[in-house]
Amino acid sequence: AQKVTQAQTEISVVEKEDVTLDCVYETRDTTYYLFWYKQPPSGELVFLIRRNSFDEQNEISGRYSWNFQKSTSSFNFTITASQVVDSAVYFCALRTPVSSNTGKLIFGQGTTLQVKP
Amino acid sequence: SQTIHQWPATLVQPVGSPLSLECTVEGTSNPNLYWYRQAAGRGLQLLFYSVGIGQISSEVPQNLSASRPQDRQFILSSKKLLLSDSGFYLCAWSSVVHYEQYFGPGTRLTVT
Repeated sequence: AQKVTQAQTEISVVEKEDVTLDCVYETRDTTYYLFWYKQPPSGELVFLIRRNSFDEQNEISGRYSWNFQKSTSSFNFTITASQVVDSAVYFCALRTPVSSNTGKLIFGQGTTLQVKP
Repeated sequence: SQTIHQWPATLVQPVGSPLSLECTVEGTSNPNLYWYRQAAGRGLQLLFYSVGIGQISSEVPQNLSASRPQDRQFILSSKKLLLSDSGFYLCAWSSVVHYEQYFGPGTRLTVT
């Protein structure tokens, strides 16, 4: 069965701290895609990154970085020097070949990040 | 570039009244379309998805229905709203090129 687990329900940090959001996934497929989304207080989900299962290179985009480790089935997201604007709910998601026609994603329950000034 | 629209942005409806939420996508053809609901403080629940005109798949049995009368139009409806239908409704699209889903701004529905 496919599943995404975000064990951290809520995280609170002080501005400028680094924070890592954990994502653990389950699938028996060898080909799959992983995603991260940000949902700010306005509500719209914003796509942040897509990673396919054959690309284990870590990625960095400004203050954001992603650590993909197939050995531990994890796709963790780190925000460096957090800012108040990073306060949001963050979702991790999985897409497998089973959903190749439908494009359905399996979402984790989300992690609420609060960055205090 | 592709854009996705949803309206209305907010809606307050009495129990037992009908519902119609609309979602349209621009800049892409034959997208897969999705309706999600998010209860307050909760995760995303996939309600319906569609891979083509007139093709609707339901994920959760409920008093809601969906229709896709045009390629880039997706409508969520109800004949009689329940209190439990309150929530934040999000429409999304994806394509064979874009493996990720792109979301609209959402509709916040309060059933009173």
